[in-house]
Amino acid sequence: KAGVTQTPRYLIKTRGQQVTLSCSPISGHRSVSWYQQTPGQGLQFLFEYFSETQRNKGNFPGRFSGRQFSNSRSEMNVSTLELGDSALYLCASSLGLGGGGTEAFFGQGTRLTVV
Amino acid sequence: QKEVEQNSGPLSVPEGAIASLNCTYSDRVSQSFFWYRQYSGKSPELIMSIYSNGDKEDGRFTAQLNKASQYVSLLIRDSQPSDSATYLCAVNVGKNILTGGGNKLTFGTGTQLKVEL
Repeated sequence: KAGVTQTPRYLIKTRGQQVTLSCSPISGHRSVSWYQQTPGQGLQFLFEYFSETQRNKGNFPGRFSGRQFSNSRSEMNVSTLELGDSALYLCASSLGLGGGGTEAFFGQGTRLTVV
Repeated sequence: QKEVEQNSGPLSVPEGAIASLNCTYSDRVSQSFFWYRQYSGKSPELIMSIYSNGDKEDGRFTAQLNKASQYVSLLIRDSQPSDSATYLCAVNVGKNILTGGGNKLTFGTGTQLKVEL
């Protein structure tokens, strides 16, 4: 069974640009969550999508957005990049239902560097 | 108060010993609790999940949950050098009345474990 696939693995962008990251969840999983990991703040929740609907949202500015497609694949977009957006962006996949369906499995992440 | 708190360590244990990792959380309605292991430069790997009070064992790992005390722990028996990593405690605070699920993991800052030869 294939795991969670994130593309690209590495990105270097310039301040002010925008970026789109992609995540393909485990087959059969309907929930995709996005997290930002930095040395200073640790792992922070961005948002969760379930069946193409945003179901939970973290405390990030509106520059961070996402969407989910009918095949459960998800994309995350960051507009007007700032230096502080440099981080490891992680996608997590789960069945999305209660109980054991909340077990989340992470992809390898996308390392974004803003210069 | 942080939502999920862990001692950052490092926690050093000799090979073969029991490593004990602790975590407290503040949201009383949380129902799902997880332990992740993260090696340097890698993504977090789920190693244990626990949903009800008591102990849950899986191989060398035992997770313990006490909802009254808002406390979760992870015991690693017969610690090996390959267990050296950062262990992240995560609590699911996502709420969705319609689906009964909702994933919004709040993570602690992690405890660095070092298993010494």
